[in-house]
Amino acid sequence: EAQVTQNPRYLITVTGKKLTVTCSQNMNHEYMSWYRQDPGLGLRQIYYSMNVEVTDKGDVPEGYKVSRKEKRNFPLILESPSPNQTSLYFCASSRQGLDSPLHFGNGTRLTVT
Amino acid sequence: KNEVEQSPQNLTAQEGEFITINCSYSVGISALHWLQQHPGGGIVSLFMLSSGKKKHGRLIATINIQEKHSSLHITASHPRDSAVYICAVRRHGGSQGNLIFGKGTKLSVKP
Repeated sequence: EAQVTQNPRYLITVTGKKLTVTCSQNMNHEYMSWYRQDPGLGLRQIYYSMNVEVTDKGDVPEGYKVSRKEKRNFPLILESPSPNQTSLYFCASSRQGLDSPLHFGNGTRLTVT
Repeated sequence: KNEVEQSPQNLTAQEGEFITINCSYSVGISALHWLQQHPGGGIVSLFMLSSGKKKHGRLIATINIQEKHSSLHITASHPRDSAVYICAVRRHGGSQGNLIFGKGTKLSVKP
């Protein structure tokens, strides 16, 4: 089944403890991206990748890192999480940039205490 | 002011009604996406538009590039259409992968 898989679904952690949220797609898509969703602010883009080894900042990249070493995986890394990174995170992919429909993962709810 | 504005913010309809959700944007764009977020949180892509009109089942999306406006119509609405509908745009000439979102329209369809 074609899908975007995010893990974990729920994560509670403490300030400063490094964490990684994984994202994997099995559709051979070139484009992958990360978003966060907050009440009253809606969805905002964190980082995106047009293809392997090509990443770029979205609108809210501070405090996050990404890498795209393989086409299928696009992990989101929080080196030193802070409470203001408590949010609902979504990964998405598409066949070719934003000129193709987006496929979203199920989301990761992160709480940083 | 947000670059992408949606109206209304909240919409309640009776089953069977024709529904229109609007999206206006203040920047030049090369693509516009309509997304649906179900109460459980999952997000599904409904349409990707760069011009004209697209139809899928009871859903119709239109875009007017000159007026910087797009509409999402739902015909014969049903309670299962209850969701948040989100408009998102890719700026023309901007970073190729950068997407800007509206804040969403929450639709509730009553039986």
